[in-house]
Amino acid sequence: DAGITQSPRHKVTETGTPVTLRCHQTENHRYMYWYRQDPGHGLRLIHYSYGVKDTDKGEVSDGYSVSRSKTEDFLLTLESATSSQTSVYFCVCTWALAKNIQYFGAGTRLSVL
Amino acid sequence: SQQGEEDPQALSIQEGENATMNCSYKTSINNLQWYRQNSGRGLVHLILIRSNEREKHSGRLRVTLDTSKKSSSLLITASRAADTASYFCATFNQGAQKLVFGQGTRLTINP
Repeated sequence: DAGITQSPRHKVTETGTPVTLRCHQTENHRYMYWYRQDPGHGLRLIHYSYGVKDTDKGEVSDGYSVSRSKTEDFLLTLESATSSQTSVYFCVCTWALAKNIQYFGAGTRLSVL
Repeated sequence: SQQGEEDPQALSIQEGENATMNCSYKTSINNLQWYRQNSGRGLVHLILIRSNEREKHSGRLRVTLDTSKKSSSLLITASRAADTASYFCATFNQGAQKLVFGQGTRLTINP
Protein backbone atom coordinates (compact mmCIF):
# COMPACT_ATOMS: atom_id res chain seq x y z
CA ASP A 1 0.00 0.00 0.00
CA ALA A 2 2.72 2.45 -1.05
CA GLY A 3 4.11 2.99 2.44
CA ILE A 4 0.77 4.06 3.90
CA THR A 5 -0.42 2.39 7.08
CA GLN A 6 -3.86 2.93 8.50
CA SER A 7 -4.74 1.89 12.02
CA PRO A 8 -6.86 0.33 13.20
CA ARG A 9 -8.03 -1.65 10.19
CA HIS A 10 -11.33 -2.50 11.81
CA LYS A 11 -13.15 -0.92 14.70
CA VAL A 12 -16.54 -1.30 16.31
CA THR A 13 -17.61 1.40 18.69
CA GLU A 14 -20.71 2.79 20.35
CA THR A 15 -22.59 5.97 19.57
CA GLY A 16 -21.22 8.92 21.47
CA THR A 17 -17.70 7.64 21.98
CA PRO A 18 -14.66 9.42 20.55
CA VAL A 19 -12.69 7.61 17.88
CA THR A 20 -9.31 8.40 16.35
CA LEU A 21 -8.05 6.88 13.12
CA ARG A 22 -4.40 7.12 12.28
CA CYS A 23 -2.62 7.36 8.96
CA HIS A 24 1.14 6.92 8.85
CA GLN A 25 3.18 7.33 5.67
CA THR A 26 6.85 6.78 5.03
CA GLU A 27 7.24 8.37 1.57
CA ASN A 28 7.38 12.02 2.61
CA HIS A 29 4.13 12.88 0.84
CA ARG A 30 3.26 16.49 1.30
CA TYR A 31 -0.50 16.15 0.80
CA MET A 32 -2.67 13.81 2.83
CA TYR A 33 -6.41 13.26 2.62
CA TRP A 34 -9.12 11.46 4.52
CA TYR A 35 -12.00 10.07 2.44
CA ARG A 36 -14.99 8.01 3.38
CA GLN A 37 -16.54 5.51 1.00
CA ASP A 38 -20.19 4.58 1.21
CA PRO A 39 -22.49 2.70 -1.17
CA GLY A 40 -24.31 5.14 -3.41
CA HIS A 41 -22.06 8.03 -2.45
CA GLY A 42 -18.71 6.96 -3.76
CA LEU A 43 -15.65 8.59 -2.26
CA ARG A 44 -16.22 11.80 -0.33
CA LEU A 45 -13.49 14.03 1.00
CA ILE A 46 -13.59 14.71 4.74
CA HIS A 47 -10.46 16.76 5.44
CA TYR A 48 -7.09 17.22 3.86
CA SER A 49 -3.67 18.54 4.73
CA TYR A 50 -1.09 20.28 2.56
CA GLY A 51 1.64 20.33 5.17
CA VAL A 52 2.38 20.14 8.85
CA LYS A 53 -0.31 21.97 10.79
CA ASP A 54 -1.97 23.03 7.53
CA THR A 55 -5.37 21.43 7.14
CA ASP A 56 -8.64 22.25 5.45
CA LYS A 57 -12.19 20.95 5.28
CA GLY A 58 -13.59 18.77 2.57
CA GLU A 59 -17.19 18.27 1.52
CA VAL A 60 -18.31 16.17 4.52
CA SER A 61 -16.28 17.56 7.43
CA ASP A 62 -19.05 17.97 10.00
CA GLY A 63 -18.41 15.76 13.04
CA TYR A 64 -14.76 15.21 12.13
CA SER A 65 -11.51 16.92 13.06
CA VAL A 66 -7.95 16.30 11.95
CA SER A 67 -4.43 17.01 13.09
CA ARG A 68 -1.06 16.81 11.43
CA SER A 69 1.81 17.51 13.79
CA LYS A 70 4.35 15.59 11.71
CA THR A 71 4.71 15.06 7.98
CA GLU A 72 4.20 11.34 8.31
CA ASP A 73 1.09 11.27 10.50
CA PHE A 74 -2.45 12.44 9.79
CA LEU A 75 -5.08 11.77 12.44
CA LEU A 76 -8.83 11.76 11.92
CA THR A 77 -10.97 12.15 15.03
CA LEU A 78 -14.66 11.58 15.42
CA GLU A 79 -15.42 13.61 18.53
CA SER A 80 -18.67 11.80 19.30
CA ALA A 81 -19.33 8.95 16.89
CA THR A 82 -22.75 8.60 15.30
CA SER A 83 -24.25 5.74 13.33
CA SER A 84 -24.09 7.87 10.16
CA GLN A 85 -20.30 7.73 10.46
CA THR A 86 -20.28 3.99 9.92
CA SER A 87 -18.16 3.74 6.80
CA VAL A 88 -14.88 2.72 5.28
CA TYR A 89 -12.25 5.43 5.71
CA PHE A 90 -9.31 5.82 3.39
CA CYS A 91 -6.15 7.81 3.87
CA VAL A 92 -4.75 9.08 0.58
CA CYS A 93 -1.36 10.67 -0.04
CA THR A 94 0.34 12.46 -2.88
CA TRP A 95 3.50 14.50 -3.41
CA ALA A 96 1.82 17.10 -5.55
CA LEU A 97 -1.68 18.01 -6.51
CA ALA A 98 -2.60 18.34 -10.15
CA LYS A 99 -0.03 16.08 -11.73
CA ASN A 100 0.66 13.33 -9.31
CA ILE A 101 -0.82 9.93 -8.62
CA GLN A 102 -2.77 9.44 -5.44
CA TYR A 103 -1.77 6.57 -3.17
CA PHE A 104 -4.36 4.89 -1.01
CA GLY A 105 -4.07 3.19 2.34
CA ALA A 106 -5.82 -0.14 2.85
CA GLY A 107 -8.74 1.48 4.65
CA THR A 108 -10.35 1.36 8.07
CA ARG A 109 -13.76 -0.20 8.41
CA LEU A 110 -15.61 1.59 11.21
CA SER A 111 -18.93 0.45 12.62
CA VAL A 112 -20.78 2.71 15.05
CA LEU A 113 -23.52 0.86 16.90
CA SER B 1 -20.97 17.01 -6.96
CA GLN B 2 -18.74 14.38 -8.50
CA GLN B 3 -16.58 15.59 -11.36
CA GLY B 4 -16.27 12.22 -13.01
CA GLU B 5 -19.19 9.95 -13.71
CA GLU B 6 -18.64 6.41 -14.90
CA ASP B 7 -20.89 4.46 -17.19
CA PRO B 8 -22.09 1.78 -16.88
CA GLN B 9 -22.48 1.38 -13.13
CA ALA B 10 -22.09 -2.36 -13.49
CA LEU B 11 -20.74 -4.59 -16.24
CA SER B 12 -20.64 -8.37 -16.40
CA ILE B 13 -18.79 -10.17 -19.20
CA GLN B 14 -17.22 -13.53 -19.99
CA GLU B 15 -13.55 -14.14 -19.48
CA GLY B 16 -11.61 -13.33 -22.61
CA GLU B 17 -13.99 -10.61 -23.78
CA ASN B 18 -13.12 -6.93 -23.82
CA ALA B 19 -14.55 -4.55 -21.23
CA THR B 20 -15.19 -0.90 -21.94
CA MET B 21 -16.01 1.69 -19.29
CA ASN B 22 -16.72 5.34 -19.86
CA CYS B 23 -16.21 8.45 -17.80
CA SER B 24 -17.63 11.92 -18.29
CA TYR B 25 -16.49 15.04 -16.51
CA LYS B 26 -17.61 18.63 -16.29
CA THR B 27 -14.74 21.09 -16.17
CA SER B 28 -11.37 21.50 -17.87
CA ILE B 29 -8.67 19.14 -16.69
CA ASN B 30 -4.89 18.77 -16.57
CA ASN B 31 -5.13 15.01 -16.60
CA LEU B 32 -7.52 12.17 -16.00
CA GLN B 33 -6.67 9.07 -14.02
CA TRP B 34 -8.16 5.60 -13.73
CA TYR B 35 -8.05 3.55 -10.56
CA ARG B 36 -9.04 0.01 -9.67
CA GLN B 37 -10.47 -1.16 -6.35
CA ASN B 38 -10.56 -4.79 -5.39
CA SER B 39 -13.11 -5.79 -2.80
CA GLY B 40 -12.08 -4.67 0.68
CA ARG B 41 -9.01 -2.79 -0.50
CA GLY B 42 -7.98 0.76 -1.30
CA LEU B 43 -7.88 2.16 -4.79
CA VAL B 44 -4.84 1.47 -6.92
CA HIS B 45 -3.67 3.75 -9.70
CA LEU B 46 -3.83 2.22 -13.18
CA ILE B 47 -3.07 4.89 -15.72
CA LEU B 48 -2.91 8.66 -16.17
CA ILE B 49 -3.66 10.45 -19.42
CA ARG B 50 -2.78 14.10 -19.86
CA SER B 51 -5.10 16.62 -21.43
CA ASN B 52 -2.92 16.89 -24.55
CA GLU B 53 -2.97 13.13 -25.11
CA ARG B 54 -5.71 11.29 -26.97
CA GLU B 55 -4.81 7.69 -26.27
CA LYS B 56 -2.55 5.79 -23.94
CA HIS B 57 -1.74 2.11 -23.50
CA SER B 58 -0.49 0.11 -20.57
CA GLY B 59 -0.43 -3.65 -21.02
CA ARG B 60 -4.02 -4.77 -21.64
CA LEU B 61 -5.34 -1.31 -20.77
CA ARG B 62 -6.18 1.30 -23.34
CA VAL B 63 -7.41 4.74 -22.32
CA THR B 64 -8.78 7.39 -24.62
CA LEU B 65 -9.53 10.99 -23.86
CA ASP B 66 -11.78 13.35 -25.79
CA THR B 67 -11.52 16.79 -24.22
CA SER B 68 -14.06 18.25 -26.64
CA LYS B 69 -16.67 15.84 -25.30
CA LYS B 70 -15.24 15.84 -21.78
CA SER B 71 -15.13 12.08 -21.77
CA SER B 72 -12.71 9.20 -21.39
CA SER B 73 -12.92 5.47 -21.88
CA LEU B 74 -11.03 2.58 -20.35
CA LEU B 75 -10.75 -0.60 -22.40
CA ILE B 76 -9.52 -3.82 -20.84
CA THR B 77 -8.71 -6.37 -23.49
CA ALA B 78 -8.77 -10.16 -23.09
CA SER B 79 -10.32 -9.90 -19.64
CA ARG B 80 -9.38 -12.26 -16.83
CA ALA B 81 -11.13 -13.27 -13.64
CA ALA B 82 -8.56 -11.20 -11.73
CA ASP B 83 -9.86 -8.07 -13.46
CA THR B 84 -13.04 -8.33 -11.40
CA ALA B 85 -13.07 -5.07 -9.43
CA SER B 86 -14.54 -1.59 -9.38
CA TYR B 87 -12.98 0.99 -11.67
CA PHE B 88 -12.97 4.71 -11.00
CA CYS B 89 -12.01 7.70 -13.03
CA ALA B 90 -10.65 10.77 -11.28
CA THR B 91 -10.03 14.33 -12.31
CA PHE B 92 -8.40 17.19 -10.50
CA ASN B 93 -10.70 20.02 -9.42
CA GLN B 94 -8.51 23.09 -9.69
CA GLY B 95 -10.81 25.27 -7.63
CA ALA B 96 -11.17 22.86 -4.74
CA GLN B 97 -7.56 21.67 -5.09
CA LYS B 98 -8.53 18.03 -4.83
CA LEU B 99 -8.90 14.91 -6.91
CA VAL B 100 -12.56 14.09 -7.55
CA PHE B 101 -13.62 10.51 -8.08
CA GLY B 102 -16.61 9.18 -9.93
CA GLN B 103 -19.00 6.59 -8.51
CA GLY B 104 -17.21 3.76 -10.26
CA THR B 105 -18.05 0.87 -12.58
CA ARG B 106 -18.32 -2.54 -10.99
CA LEU B 107 -16.82 -5.06 -13.42
CA THR B 108 -17.44 -8.78 -13.04
CA ILE B 109 -15.57 -11.27 -15.19
CA ASN B 110 -17.33 -14.62 -15.39
CA PRO B 111 -15.18 -17.73 -15.94
